[in-house]
Amino acid sequence: DVKVTQSSRYLVKRTGEKVFLECVQDMDHENMFWYRQDPGLGLRLIYFSYDVKMKEKGDIPEGYSVSREKKERFSLILESASTNQTSMYLCASSLLVGLASYEQYFGPGTRLTVT
Amino acid sequence: DQQVKQNSPSLSVQEGRISILNCDYTNSMFDYFLWYKKYPAEGPTFLISISSIKDKNEDGRFTVFLNKSAKHLSLHIVPSQPGDSAVYFCAASEGSNGGSNYKLTFGKGTLLTVNP
Repeated sequence: DVKVTQSSRYLVKRTGEKVFLECVQDMDHENMFWYRQDPGLGLRLIYFSYDVKMKEKGDIPEGYSVSREKKERFSLILESASTNQTSMYLCASSLLVGLASYEQYFGPGTRLTVT
Repeated sequence: DQQVKQNSPSLSVQEGRISILNCDYTNSMFDYFLWYKKYPAEGPTFLISISSIKDKNEDGRFTVFLNKSAKHLSLHIVPSQPGDSAVYFCAASEGSNGGSNYKLTFGKGTLLTVNP
């Protein structure tokens, strides 16, 4: 059974703190993605990675960075958390090539609140 | 610029009837389309997909229709069940065109409520 796990389901941080969100997949997928979901805005892509140490900006990368040191792990970093980064964060993974690459598998999400 | 649009934020139907969720897109490079279902406090789960070379794909109670000339797709659920109540996201991909690495562009979602 395919699985994407995220380190925390709920997280509360203070403004200015450095925040790490971890994502691990066990499907040997090359692609990994970080999204945020906000009411009325749907899912918006923050960053994605198609290989170890490779990363590309998504639609809303400002205020975020990522790290992919191992194939199975993709971390999202908020260098200095702000209240407008309060959101649901979703990690996903997919294969690199082929028809199945379109299908992304999602983790359960991390609800981050910045106060 | 929103490339994938779901113009209905919500939809309410009676159990046993048909649910029709709509999605429009503007990017002609999109060649694959997916529907995801999301329950509160869970990640989205893949539901059904369709390639641009097809106009219909069916899986049990779920059917997706694609009208390329109109840049429109729809998801039909027949018969609708209370357990189908969730947010449904339409997503589209350019595949590997232009190095997008199968990145998905999502719509804003439609909340479907199926009443018993």
